[in-house]
Amino acid sequence: DSGVTQTPKHLITATGQRVTLRCSPRSGDLSVYWYQQSLDQGLQFLIQYYNGEERAKGNILERFSAQQFPDLHSELNLSSLELGDSALYFCASSAGPLQGGFGNTIYFGEGSWLTVV
Amino acid sequence: AQSVTQPDIHITVSEGASLELRCNYSYGATPYLFWYVQSPGQGLQLLLKYFSGDTLVQGIKGFEAEFKRSQSSFNLRKPSVHWSDAAEYFCAVGDRSNDYKLSFGAGTTVTVRA
Repeated sequence: DSGVTQTPKHLITATGQRVTLRCSPRSGDLSVYWYQQSLDQGLQFLIQYYNGEERAKGNILERFSAQQFPDLHSELNLSSLELGDSALYFCASSAGPLQGGFGNTIYFGEGSWLTVV
Repeated sequence: AQSVTQPDIHITVSEGASLELRCNYSYGATPYLFWYVQSPGQGLQLLLKYFSGDTLVQGIKGFEAEFKRSQSSFNLRKPSVHWSDAAEYFCAVGDRSNDYKLSFGAGTTVTVRA
């Protein structure tokens, strides 16, 4: 158990719909990351938040958005869903940047399986 | 930008035999390197990581990896494979300038035969 909790574990929805995936990071971790794993694209970084603020953006579509709340949990919102959005969405967390050095590990949750039909 | 190549898409190995998974990275500075394992239907579990120091890194489940700067490689090894090692293995490089934002390789699927 990594300590990163994601809900729901499985989700089936129709095209055009909107869903929200939720992530609770490990206790004390300030950074939250979202990754998408699909058969054709592999594991792709979507977005990162640190202590409530967006820190980095990857290959995230405009139809997708995320936020990190004051209690550090994060939500990934996926809208106008398409068949191609079917994937496993991972949340990960780490302690965040250290002054003068590095050493943090990114821990992954078990993912949320999204199927768009 | 950093990138990772895992040349082997699929490897089949006999139980008890040794295993080596290849990983080559591209990164402009000293890399931060990771190996993760994903069992069927499961999330990503960290096997080991390299940040600095000793280039031979020990991880969980009997795995080790060796960082070779001259070859831009970080190959994963296990001396004797167990059936439970059947999984998909991902090599990743972390971005030092961005809290180790990870770039993953395409993964290598390991099948273990009895």
